[in-house]
Amino acid sequence: RKEVEQDPGPFNVPEGATVAFNCTYSNSASQSFFWYRQDCRKEPKLLMSVYSSGNEDGRFTAQLNRASQYISLLIRDSKLSDSATYLCVVNSPSNTGKLIFGQGTTLQVKP
Amino acid sequence: ETGVTQSPTHLIKTRGQQVTLRCSSQSGHNTVSWYQQALGQGPQFIFQYYREEENGRGNFPPRFSGLQFPNYSSELNVNALELDDSALYLCASSRGGRGGAPYGYTFGSGTRLTVV
Repeated sequence: RKEVEQDPGPFNVPEGATVAFNCTYSNSASQSFFWYRQDCRKEPKLLMSVYSSGNEDGRFTAQLNRASQYISLLIRDSKLSDSATYLCVVNSPSNTGKLIFGQGTTLQVKP
Repeated sequence: ETGVTQSPTHLIKTRGQQVTLRCSSQSGHNTVSWYQQALGQGPQFIFQYYREEENGRGNFPPRFSGLQFPNYSSELNVNALELDDSALYLCASSRGGRGGAPYGYTFGSGTRLTVV
């Protein structure tokens, strides 16, 4: 079983749609969770951290369910510029600073 | 503030050769990690350096080695290159010391290595 699992997609949605990405992680001792965005042939960039209480940043909402070891990202009112790969990331509890990335979910927003 | 810079941006090597990739950390960051990202996959952790010592290592063979210098810049060395080493190599810096990065990681734009 992969340490972090995501549906690779692709998700093809029209502008203005709401889209949700899900992710599961295997190590229940994990403490830090993130969503990164990666544009084609570019480096990953931090989109947002994910907190137990859930958090929102503009059109983006992240949720964490520790009991189910499940993380989600909701994007409302999709823009063309949201087209990218979204990486679910968990910080390994091993104190090595290791980030464990999912495979990534590709989003294509169409006009 | 300058971000993380990596060099070179692209590289083509022959199987069996050795390669050195370089990374300059973001100003104020004292920890550097290296990742390998194969096409269509998420980045895989190679190792992390803190205070010039390897702090943790992923599932990579010993022919992958690294260095961190007093100015926090870093090198990734790969010996005896194999075709499967073809990938995007990413460097990430952070401030937070061993293990943690409460302020997040900043990635460089990567070195795309092709082994032929």
